[in-house]
Amino acid sequence: AQSVTQLDSHVSVSEGTPVLLRCNYSSSYSPSLFWYVQHPNKGLQLLLKYTSAATLVKGINGFEAEFKKSETSFHLTKPSAHMSDAAEYFCVVRDTGRRALTFGSGTRLQVQP
Amino acid sequence: DAGVTQSPTHLIKTRGQQVTLRCSPISGHKSVSWYQQVLGQGPQFIFQYYEKEERGRGNFPDRFSARQFPNYSSELNVNALLLGDSALYLCASSLEDRVVTDTQYFGPGTRLTVL
Repeated sequence: AQSVTQLDSHVSVSEGTPVLLRCNYSSSYSPSLFWYVQHPNKGLQLLLKYTSAATLVKGINGFEAEFKKSETSFHLTKPSAHMSDAAEYFCVVRDTGRRALTFGSGTRLQVQP
Repeated sequence: DAGVTQSPTHLIKTRGQQVTLRCSPISGHKSVSWYQQVLGQGPQFIFQYYEKEERGRGNFPDRFSARQFPNYSSELNVNALLLGDSALYLCASSLEDRVVTDTQYFGPGTRLTVL
């Protein structure tokens, strides 16, 4: 069975400081992993995805994530936060052969001026 | 290119009523999935359709049904609405069926409020 745990429900950073959003996953097979972002009153936008190629994945808007199989983690990072990064972030897993995406409960990122 | 579109944007219904939500996928995408996002939670998978056939179903009661049309658009129907059905309903489209690397692109959602 596939599942995702986002370790922080809320993260607050100052503008210009690094961002770290933590995600651990459980999967029976070789999964694909995704990070989506949801701004208020908007749909979900794909930030990046891991599909068993390079373990360090670069996404849009300066975000990147590293797949660590030994730790079953897929943490999202950004070197310098911007005010526009304030949103809800979802870590998502999809097992090989499965149709459904399984979402974590989300991490709300606040960026202070 | 147009993304995934959903209609209506907002909907208010009363308990016991029925509702139909609509989704148009990205041009060329043959797979449509539906998710329910209750306030404060991550989306939960309801259905997936590919080439007009149901290919996956989440843990939702039979009051929820869906279909996909020859042009790949889709409808989600919910009967006998309960207060707990109040949520944002998201539609996602993708090119393939079971390709794990395939990306699902989401629409803006339909906000359903049940009074």
